[in-house]
Amino acid sequence: DADVTQTPRNRITKTGKRIMLECSQTKGHDRMYWYRQDPGLGLRLIYYSFDVKDINKGEISDGYSVSRQAQAKFSLSLESAIPNQTALYFCATSDSTGIGTGELFFGEGSRLTVL
Amino acid sequence: SQKIEQNSEALNIQEGKTATLTCNYTNYSPAYLQWYRQDPGRGPVFLLLIRENEKEKRKERLKVTFDTTLKQSLFHITASQPADSATYLCALDTRGGFKTIFGAGTRLFVKA
Repeated sequence: DADVTQTPRNRITKTGKRIMLECSQTKGHDRMYWYRQDPGLGLRLIYYSFDVKDINKGEISDGYSVSRQAQAKFSLSLESAIPNQTALYFCATSDSTGIGTGELFFGEGSRLTVL
Repeated sequence: SQKIEQNSEALNIQEGKTATLTCNYTNYSPAYLQWYRQDPGRGPVFLLLIRENEKEKRKERLKVTFDTTLKQSLFHITASQPADSATYLCALDTRGGFKTIFGAGTRLFVKA
């Protein structure tokens, strides 16, 4: 089984719908992240969490919210999806030891299409 | 403004040659820089990390250099193989920010 699991892997939805992307990890890491990837733009940070009670906005948090339900679970919600949120979404984790974020471990991605 | 720039054009090389990818950054003072590999439809996979006080790091056929004066990192794959074909992402950690910021990546094609 993958260390970082994302569900769903693919989702097609309509404008205005609420969508939740879920991430769970078995690595025992405290730090979890949600990134969005668009062609030519690279990975952009949406939200990150350093423990269950810690939530921080990244570069592009507008239109998104997150919930850290447990150390191992971090979900991303789009309250009212819009077409420009069509993208590939990645969850990642990292160890809390050492400086900065250190090595990131990514899930396989969730491809979201908003029609 | 802050930028991380990687060559957007794909790099095509012949098997056995050395591939060199470039990462330039502006208006950052990173504590360290990382390189990741990403295959189509997959999540990025960590390759190497180099700290600001290190000039060079090696791992098997991979070598990374980090020049904080030029604000540049070079990523080398020696004796390249078709299996090395992928997109390579440069990422840096903002000092004290605890966030990893990524470049858009460079696509590498290694022909047999």
